[in-house]
Amino acid sequence: NAGVTQTPKFRVLKTGQSMTLLCAQDMNHEYMYWYRQDPGMGLRLIHYSVGEGTTAKGEVPDGYNVSRLKKQNFLLGLESAAPSQTSVYFCASTYGGDGVEQFFGPGTRLTVL
Amino acid sequence: GENVEQHPSTLSVQEGDSAVIKCTYSDSASNYFPWYKQELGKRPQLIIDIRSNVGEKKDQRIAVTLNKTAKHFSLHITETQPEDSAVYFCAAGGDLTGGGNKLTFGTGTQLKVEL
Repeated sequence: NAGVTQTPKFRVLKTGQSMTLLCAQDMNHEYMYWYRQDPGMGLRLIHYSVGEGTTAKGEVPDGYNVSRLKKQNFLLGLESAAPSQTSVYFCASTYGGDGVEQFFGPGTRLTVL
Repeated sequence: GENVEQHPSTLSVQEGDSAVIKCTYSDSASNYFPWYKQELGKRPQLIIDIRSNVGEKKDQRIAVTLNKTAKHFSLHITETQPEDSAVYFCAAGGDLTGGGNKLTFGTGTQLKVEL
């Protein structure tokens, strides 16, 4: 099993450009999450999904959109990137039920110029 | 919403000494408290977790204690080794429908174990 994977690993955008980050998991997990990590601020939840076809806002959702059309994939979109969105983005997933551990992907380092 | 505070932000110990990291949370509905370790450039990985119906949990050199009344929980690492050097994050969260959870993370503690 590959676990949780993220595409791309690195990306540089110009202000105003758009992009989509892909998270994929092969563990049949119900729950998926997108976090951003900034120095000194820990991990902050952007959006999450409790199952295929569902999405919900987290702590810092502004400027981001998400979709979960397939159970194994969770997409994070930036419609008009801003320098404040420069960060490391982590995706995570958890099975649900008795399986509560969140498994993280390797991260995507995004720089917005 | 939930607010998690973590202290200290940096911690330096000598190899073999113990390290303690403390967190407080605000939402009394939180019932799940994991600790993650993140090495430089790597993803966070769960090292230990505790549910609110348990006061203490131990796994070899790592232990977590929870005081639900005071809304604080702590990570204890004994006999520290150089490979324990990393950033440690606490988190607090509650259940989502169906068994998943929604976590709020602390701001992290940079632990350095010196030889």
